[in-house]
Amino acid sequence: AQSVTQLGSHVSVSEGALVLLRCNYSSSVPPYLFWYVQYPNQGLQLLLKYTSAATLVKGINGFEAEFKKSETSFHLTKPSAHMSDAAEYFCAVTSYSSASKIIFGSGTRLSIRP
Amino acid sequence: DSGVTQTPKHLITATGQRVTLRCSPRSGDLSVYWYQQSLDQGLQFLIQYYNGEERAKGNILERFSAQQFPDLHSELNLSSLELGDSALYFCASSVENTDLYGYTFGSGTRLTVV
Repeated sequence: AQSVTQLGSHVSVSEGALVLLRCNYSSSVPPYLFWYVQYPNQGLQLLLKYTSAATLVKGINGFEAEFKKSETSFHLTKPSAHMSDAAEYFCAVTSYSSASKIIFGSGTRLSIRP
Repeated sequence: DSGVTQTPKHLITATGQRVTLRCSPRSGDLSVYWYQQSLDQGLQFLIQYYNGEERAKGNILERFSAQQFPDLHSELNLSSLELGDSALYFCASSVENTDLYGYTFGSGTRLTVV
């Protein structure tokens, strides 16, 4: 079975500071990994995805994530936080052989301090 | 606007009642996925349809059913509603019968059972 664990249900950073949201996955087969963002009262929007090509994946709004197989991690980073980054972020996993579709983590709420 | 349309946006109903949630996928997408988002369970995959046929089932209760019509819109039917069914219900779509490249989500239907 596949799963993702997001470390920290709530992360708070100052505007302009580094954003680091942690995600570890579990998968017995090569994973496909995603980060989604959910703004208040909206649906989920795909930020970026890892599909077995480059291990460093760049997404929208200046976010990027690095796939580290040895650490089973797919952490999301952004060099400089902006107030508009405040949202809920979900890490997710699936695989070519997955029968249960994309599995989402429990989410991390990112707050930005002025 | 993601291109995935869900109606209604909000729904308040009493226990024991039946409701229908509607989803129109993004133009050109053949797959529709339904997810339930609640505070205690997070995002849970319910069911997938591809070009009118059921393709995958997740944690969907027997009181819930869905279908996809020839015009590719989908409906999720929830019956004998219980307080615990209160949640955000998301529809997502993708082009093919695969979730390997992510989904496009609608903005959801917030169901409140009183």
